[in-house]
Amino acid sequence: GNSVTQMEGPVTLSEEAFLTINCTYTATGYPSLFWYVQYPGEGLQLLLKATKADDKGSNKGFEATYRKETTSFHLEKGSVQVSDSAVYFCALSDNAGNNRKLIWGLGTSLAVNP
Amino acid sequence: NAGVTQTPKFQVLKTGQSMTLQCAQDMNHNSMYWYRQDPGMGLRLIYYSASEGTTDKGEVPNGYNVSRLNKREFSLRLESAAPSQTSVYFCASRGLGGETQYFGPGTRLLVL
Repeated sequence: GNSVTQMEGPVTLSEEAFLTINCTYTATGYPSLFWYVQYPGEGLQLLLKATKADDKGSNKGFEATYRKETTSFHLEKGSVQVSDSAVYFCALSDNAGNNRKLIWGLGTSLAVNP
Repeated sequence: NAGVTQTPKFQVLKTGQSMTLQCAQDMNHNSMYWYRQDPGMGLRLIYYSASEGTTDKGEVPNGYNVSRLNKREFSLRLESAAPSQTSVYFCASRGLGGETQYFGPGTRLLVL
């Protein structure tokens, strides 16, 4: 079945450091891929998404490229800020018609120190 | 536009008590979802509703029931709470043809 694997945390960085959070997937067909972010005490919100191979999603300085050849969707940011401290979830959409569900990774906690 | 709202924000129950978690969305979305979030387990789908009048089980439905009261509201009921149901519960919704799910702020439930 479909699955998502993302790197374990926690990840601790200093402000202005480069961030990579790895995400790989297993899926049949051509799923859409997502990164969601959960700030402390809040619900999840969409950070970025990509719907087909070689698409790049971007938002708030974060980027991720849909790589079908390596089945990956790694999240990157060139210079993190303290306000980026959150839990990041990678997910894929099973695209199964109207019962469309998301398959979730376990989340990666990021802490950015000033 | 409030988006997805959940009540209560926090609840403490004793083992065996019952309660209903409420969720409402004002985005005219067709699909709604209930998840639980536990440390090290990520998000697990409890139940979902593809449209008004339909509900289906997710990964972890045991011990829960749901009601899609109308297009806006999707409630989750614990008939006899157990300590294993201590968790943070999130409701989400999705529009017809869309892929993005929109989440509520969550309900933190502690079962003693």
